[in-house]
Amino acid sequence: DGGITQSPKYLFRKEGQNVTLSCEQNLNHDAMYWYRQDPGQGLRLIYYSQIVNDFQKGDIAEGYSVSREKKESFPLTVTSAQKNPTAFYLCASTRRQAGYGYTFGSGTRLTVV
Amino acid sequence: ELKVEQNPLFLSMQEGKNYTIYCNYSTTSDRLYWYRQDPGKSLESLFVLLSNGAVKQEGRLMASLDTKARLSTLHITAAVHDLSATYFCAGGYSGGGADGLTFGKGTHLIIQP
Repeated sequence: DGGITQSPKYLFRKEGQNVTLSCEQNLNHDAMYWYRQDPGQGLRLIYYSQIVNDFQKGDIAEGYSVSREKKESFPLTVTSAQKNPTAFYLCASTRRQAGYGYTFGSGTRLTVV
Repeated sequence: ELKVEQNPLFLSMQEGKNYTIYCNYSTTSDRLYWYRQDPGKSLESLFVLLSNGAVKQEGRLMASLDTKARLSTLHITAAVHDLSATYFCAGGYSGGGADGLTFGKGTHLIIQP
């Protein structure tokens, strides 16, 4: 079955650490996205990538970094510069054509300890 | 910049009743999505609305889009407890960009027996 796999499901970060969240899709989708969700809030776009080796900042990119070396993979690194990283992180993908739906992964819950 | 506003943000209703969730957006958006999220879970796609006057129905849920009024609605008919969840609308742009979606804050829906 095709889909998006995010790992780990839960992640704990100490102050000053960088951590990387994994996102892998086998849907052959061109575009991939990272969203952050805080309790009681909607999703906010962190970064997105429409093609391999290219990505753009979303609305809240500060303190995060990404790479897109393969079509299937779009890892997100939460750096120590992100002062409030505790949140639920969702990865999504879609084809670059009008009306095509977005598929979301199951999410990673990151907590700072 | 696209802004998406949902109301109400919280809704408690009884089984068997009808209700509507409203989604207003600020600028031209030719794609409007509705998602469902259960607590601690990812997003489940409900509807994709592409054109003015589009109406889609699935079970007790019906979504519509009025691009002139920049308004989408999600109507719940004869609510049942299983429909309790948070519902998000999200707008975006078609074409080759696939620049990601802008989400509303979500409507937390509780349906009581």
